[in-house]
Amino acid sequence: GENVEQHPSTLSVQEGDSAVIKCTYSDSASNYFPWYKQELGKRPQLIIDIRSNVGEKKDQRIAVTLNKTAKHFSLHITETQPEDSAVYFCAAPLYSGAGSYQLTFGKGTKLSVIP
Amino acid sequence: DAGVTQSPTHLIKTRGQQVTLRCSPISGHKSVSWYQQVLGQGPQFIFQYYEKEERGRGNFPDRFSARQFPNYSSELNVNALLLGDSALYLCASSSGQGAYNEQFFGPGTRLTVL
Repeated sequence: GENVEQHPSTLSVQEGDSAVIKCTYSDSASNYFPWYKQELGKRPQLIIDIRSNVGEKKDQRIAVTLNKTAKHFSLHITETQPEDSAVYFCAAPLYSGAGSYQLTFGKGTKLSVIP
Repeated sequence: DAGVTQSPTHLIKTRGQQVTLRCSPISGHKSVSWYQQVLGQGPQFIFQYYEKEERGRGNFPDRFSARQFPNYSSELNVNALLLGDSALYLCASSSGQGAYNEQFFGPGTRLTVL
């Protein structure tokens, strides 16, 4: 079926290093790819998103890249800080029938930034 | 400016009971979506409502139902609760219909089924 796969499930980096999280999706019609950050006990919050008319988008230390041909997109965090520690989710709209799409999430990556 | 609000915050029920969860979207948002988040997993889509009509349904049994009111608030109902229904239930609002609009999440309702 339609799905979004996310890797790795856990990631530990030293403070100041970079972190990369990758996702693949199955629906070639998808053209919106958000990334959410969820801190422990809190709600998911959008940190960056990309639409398929661009291949890369940056916002300070965060960037997202998209490869439509290969159907994968990645989150890049540079100069990581302890406050970046959280669970990160990728998502993509996948066709769910009857002309509708549902936002489908990956299983998440728990990022730990070690001071 | 208030974000998405949900009530109650926590809820404990026993198997077989029924539960109603409530959500108020951001002012001006006409779309509300419901998600179930099991511990250690990503949110899983249950329903989307836009302009008071159901516009999408995820792979959940008929025990799950929802509705949207004229003020765009929404309720999620779950009947005949099972242990496996224990999860964080998230509501998200967006300004437009569909999965291509930014979803703003509420704090969630933590449901525990004993």
